[in-house]
Amino acid sequence: GAVVSQHPSWVICKSGTSVKIECRSLDFQATTMFWYRQFPKQSLMLMATSNEGSKATYEQGVEKDKFLINHASLTLSTLTVTSAHPEDSSFYICSALPDIYSYEQYFGPGTRLTVT
Amino acid sequence: AQTVTQSQPEMSVQEAETVTLSCTYDTSESNYYLFWYKQPPSRQMILVIRQEAYKQQNATENRFSVNFQKAAKSFSLKISDSQLGDTAMYFCAFMMPSTSGTYKYIFGTGTRLKVLA
Repeated sequence: GAVVSQHPSWVICKSGTSVKIECRSLDFQATTMFWYRQFPKQSLMLMATSNEGSKATYEQGVEKDKFLINHASLTLSTLTVTSAHPEDSSFYICSALPDIYSYEQYFGPGTRLTVT
Repeated sequence: AQTVTQSQPEMSVQEAETVTLSCTYDTSESNYYLFWYKQPPSRQMILVIRQEAYKQQNATENRFSVNFQKAAKSFSLKISDSQLGDTAMYFCAFMMPSTSGTYKYIFGTGTRLKVLA
């Protein structure tokens, strides 16, 4: 149980275009989802907390207008990278909390974004 | 601000041996949670073990156990009978619930563990 999927697993886009990444909880409902960014051989950096039906909470230094997060249902959160640039190239990982009392987040497999 | 420090960037261990990964953290809070996550080459993050700060007993999950020293703010992971499949990056993580209902997870920089045959 507690499976989280991400789509796509790898995407290449041209500079200036936008790309959407989906995060789905497959066998549970998640009121809270998280979006992380991971640079090569580095740790995970929390970008934002996504709560179903409300605005996302962004971490300091993360551009809200560049990284649009929408948590429209209890099983789906999306991250849209707008006007992508090569410096946005990274590995993006989502996670979800199936149970707010356990605080155990379950991670998606990640999405590799390459901006050319 | 909370911080998590993993001072061992890389470690190696012989198969079947025991290895300990270090993690220290800094917080002024009393209610928090600690986790160890494993990230194999596939990059899928996998929860290894968790520890509630209010529990004095060290958590154990099969071959994995922690040494939680709250006063010293230390949370080390011991892997017994190491297996080749344990080769991965290991991240120590700190989580603190907030009164607003949100959560903040902070990850350490990771320790790359290689199990040698």
